Amino acid sequence: SQQGEEDPQALSIQEGENATMNCSYKTSINNLQWYRQNSGRGLVHLILIRSNEREKHSGRLRVTLDTSKKSSSLLITASRAADTASYFCATGLIQGAQKLVFGQGTRLTINP
Amino acid sequence: DAGITQSPRHKVTETGTPVTLRCHQTENHRYMYWYRQDPGHGLRLIHYSYGVKDTDKGEVSDGYSVSRSKTEDFLLTLESATSSQTSVYFCAISDMGNQETQYFGPGTRLLVL
Repeated sequence: SQQGEEDPQALSIQEGENATMNCSYKTSINNLQWYRQNSGRGLVHLILIRSNEREKHSGRLRVTLDTSKKSSSLLITASRAADTASYFCATGLIQGAQKLVFGQGTRLTINP
Repeated sequence: DAGITQSPRHKVTETGTPVTLRCHQTENHRYMYWYRQDPGHGLRLIHYSYGVKDTDKGEVSDGYSVSRSKTEDFLLTLESATSSQTSVYFCAISDMGNQETQYFGPGTRLLVL
C-alpha cells in the first residue's frame, strides 16, 4: 500500500524561482527522506528528517515535517535547470532493517 | 557514487521463463534491497536482506525469490516471468552504521513479452 502521497504530481517553474513539493503519509515513521531521480537513472538521496525534528536544511534544500498532520514539504530555492528531475518522498520505519515506503513522486521541470 | 552495479541493465524475456537479476556492491554494506518501479506506483519493496543468508519479504514479494550467499551479491529471481513483472528493478544498499540512508543502483529494465 502507498504510504506517501505527493502533491503536485507535476510542477513547472522558471529558473530562479522556488519549488515546493508536499508529501503526506498515513502511519508512524522513524524518519522521512527525499530522493531525486533523473530520467533513466537511479535514485539519489537528498535529505533525511527524523520524526523528532521539525525542519532541516541542506544547501538550497529545506524540508519540514509535521508529524501531527503526517505531512512533509521539500523546498528548493533558487531553482536551476539541473534541478529538473522527479522527486520522491519516502517514509522510513526501522524494524530490524529500515524499510522505505515511497510516494509516487513529483515531476519537476525548470524552464530556462 | 556508491559502488553498486546491476546486471543485466536491460533484458527482454518471454512469459514463463526464469530470470535472475544481480546486484553487486563493493561497499561491504550489510543491508541490501530490491525494489520495482512502475508508473503511478513509485518504488515498491520486493525483498530485502540484513545479512548473508538472511532475507525477508517486502510489500510485493509474490512471484519473486532472492538469495544472498555473499555480502556483495544479492540476486533476485523471477521463477516464471509474467507480463505483470515488466518493470524497472532497482537495488539499494545501506550500512549498519547509517542504515537510514539507502544508496541505489542504476536499475535494470525488464520487459516480459
